[in-house]
Amino acid sequence: EDKVVQSPLSLVVHEGDTVTLNCSYEVTNFRSLLWYKQEKKAPTFLFMLTSSGIEKKSGRLSSILDKKELFSILNITATQTGDSAVYLCAVFIIQGAQKLVFGQGTRLTINP
Amino acid sequence: GAGVSQSPRYKVTKRGQDVALRCDPISGHVSLYWYRQALGQGPEFLTYFNYEAQQDKSGLPNDRFSAERPEGSISTLTIQRTEQRDSAMYRCASRGGGPQYFGPGTRLTVL
Repeated sequence: EDKVVQSPLSLVVHEGDTVTLNCSYEVTNFRSLLWYKQEKKAPTFLFMLTSSGIEKKSGRLSSILDKKELFSILNITATQTGDSAVYLCAVFIIQGAQKLVFGQGTRLTINP
Repeated sequence: GAGVSQSPRYKVTKRGQDVALRCDPISGHVSLYWYRQALGQGPEFLTYFNYEAQQDKSGLPNDRFSAERPEGSISTLTIQRTEQRDSAMYRCASRGGGPQYFGPGTRLTVL
C-alpha cells in the first residue's frame, strides 16, 4: 500500500527560528514529490521535486529530495507568523492511474 | 481562469438527499482530480479525468458517488442518498503537465 508519513505532526516555534519538516514515503511508480502549504483554504503549491539532491529554493523556503532513502525535507528559515499553516507532503504516482498520495500534514505554529 | 473554482463553498443537506458539487478547472488543464479531506488529514484521492474520460475511479467509496466531465472542462461530483459519514471537505484539483493546483473546496455537512 502506498504510504506517505510526515513528522512531526505538530511543531510550535518562535518567530525567527528555523524549522525542518520531514516527509518519508513508500510508494510504487514514483513520479514526483510535492509540498503544499494549507491555511484556511486551498492547499497552495510550494515545490515539486523529481530528482535527488537538487535543492529547490523560494525565498526563505527550500526543499530537497533523497530518492535512495525515500524522503524529503522542507526547510523554513527566519520563520514569520505568516508561515503558520499545515504543510502537506504528497507523492505523485503513475500506475495506469495518476494520483497524489498525501501525508497527514505537519501543523506549524509560529509564535511572535 | 485565474485558478480552480468550486461551488458551492458550503453545502448543508439532510441525510438521504442527493448533492452535486461543481469544479471549474484552470483553463486549458487537461487533467482534473477529485479528493476528499477529513479534518486533520491530508486529501484522499477519489477519481480523475483526462479531458472528458474518467481514467480512474478507484477512490470512490461506493456506488453512491459518481463524477462526470462531459465536455472536458467543468466537472460534477454527485453523491446520491447522502449519509452522515459523507460529511467532509471535497476538493478539486487540475493539472496541465506540472503540479496539481487545488480549488477552495466544498464543505459538505450531512445532518
